[in-house]
Amino acid sequence: AQKITQTQPGMFVQEKEAVTLDCTYDTSDQSYGLFWYKQPSSGEMIFLIYQGSYDEQNATEGRYSLNFQKARKSANLVISASQLGDSAMYFCAIHPGGYQKVTFGIGTKLQVIP
Amino acid sequence: DAEITQSPRHKITETGRQVTLACHQTWNHNNMFWYRQDLGHGLRLIHYSYGVHDTNKGEVSDGYSVSRSNTEDLPLTLESAASSQTSVYFCASSEPANTGELFFGEGSRLTVL
Repeated sequence: AQKITQTQPGMFVQEKEAVTLDCTYDTSDQSYGLFWYKQPSSGEMIFLIYQGSYDEQNATEGRYSLNFQKARKSANLVISASQLGDSAMYFCAIHPGGYQKVTFGIGTKLQVIP
Repeated sequence: DAEITQSPRHKITETGRQVTLACHQTWNHNNMFWYRQDLGHGLRLIHYSYGVHDTNKGEVSDGYSVSRSNTEDLPLTLESAASSQTSVYFCASSEPANTGELFFGEGSRLTVL
């Protein structure tokens, strides 16, 4: 079974600053994938970034990067140059290799301050 | 464009009634999932399917059922709605051959009175 832990219920960041959202995971699988999703106040779920367990380089997508530390089982999301539109709930998630039942964390609410 | 749609988007029902939430995807994905979202719990998996006629229970499946008669649809049925099932429900799909990224519907807000 997979488990995701997000220990920051809420966070504040100043506009244009960088912020790190923490995520640790637990899995017995050798092959797995890690995701981050964003949920703005409008409610839709938006895919941000993906990291495969065998990927040697950290994934990046524009202002988003995933700080993947396999030995520590952490997959933190780094948002650079925060914008007001980044205010949202952020969910970390994991799936095992092969068939892909995705398990989510409880989320972190990020608020960007002007 | 391919998409995944849920209906109804909002529903109010009474305790004990049967309710069905529809989910239709045009991605031609084999995998489909139903999650519920509650404050403090994130998204929890209710049921999932890896293909036609395949259904599996997730971590919070009690009181829910699904059936998969074709690739496009995975309706979620609440056999006898309870107030504890008041929630936002998300349907999602994915393709095993890819990264496993979930494509989500817009969500269905269900209130059980």
